[in-house]
Amino acid sequence: DQQVKQNSPSLSVQEGRISILNCDYTNSMFDYFLWYKKYPAEGPTFLISISSIKDKNEDGRFTVFLNKSAKHLSLHIVPSQPGDSAVYFCAASGGNQFYFGTGTSLTVIP
Amino acid sequence: DTEVTQTPKHLVMGMTNKKSLKCEQHMGHRAMYWYKQKAKKPPELMFVYSYEKLSINESVPSRFSPECPNSSLLNLHLHALQPEDSALYLCASSQASAPTKLFFGSGTQLSVL
Repeated sequence: DQQVKQNSPSLSVQEGRISILNCDYTNSMFDYFLWYKKYPAEGPTFLISISSIKDKNEDGRFTVFLNKSAKHLSLHIVPSQPGDSAVYFCAASGGNQFYFGTGTSLTVIP
Repeated sequence: DTEVTQTPKHLVMGMTNKKSLKCEQHMGHRAMYWYKQKAKKPPELMFVYSYEKLSINESVPSRFSPECPNSSLLNLHLHALQPEDSALYLCASSQASAPTKLFFGSGTQLSVL
């Protein structure tokens, strides 16, 4: 049973525009949500997180929004850069486990 | 130091070989994890150690044997693997109680011939 879902396997965006990556979850008990960026054959790199008691967290070009009523979070990247091209995983923390989405492959076109 | 160090980075082994993957962290984390990741898939949890004790084993075949010698080290011993075990093996660590973030190593890319 997939508790964290990323329904868009891929996304292409022009350089300089906004990239919006989406994630849905089913378990209302999750208390932290995270985004990781991953290049092929490398470990995931932490990008940004948000506590379930907040609805927005911003770090430079990256902003995560959390809508608890919809059980939905999104990652906004503005402006998008070619170096942002990677696979992005959404994750949720509950108890002592982390649950990962299936990832969205972002391509930023120069 | 916010690094999780994994060795080796690449490993090729035959189905009769015995090898070990190693992981080290010096962040004072008392939870350490092994994940397996195939291309275009999310990381798949294998084992969790909490305070050096195995707390989660996600029904992993016995040809994978984890070991946590101390709070900074985590090993994964491999024996009689199958070609379908070829994958990226990731080590991660976190605080043990109510963890809010996983720190991943760069992984070991394993090929079983």
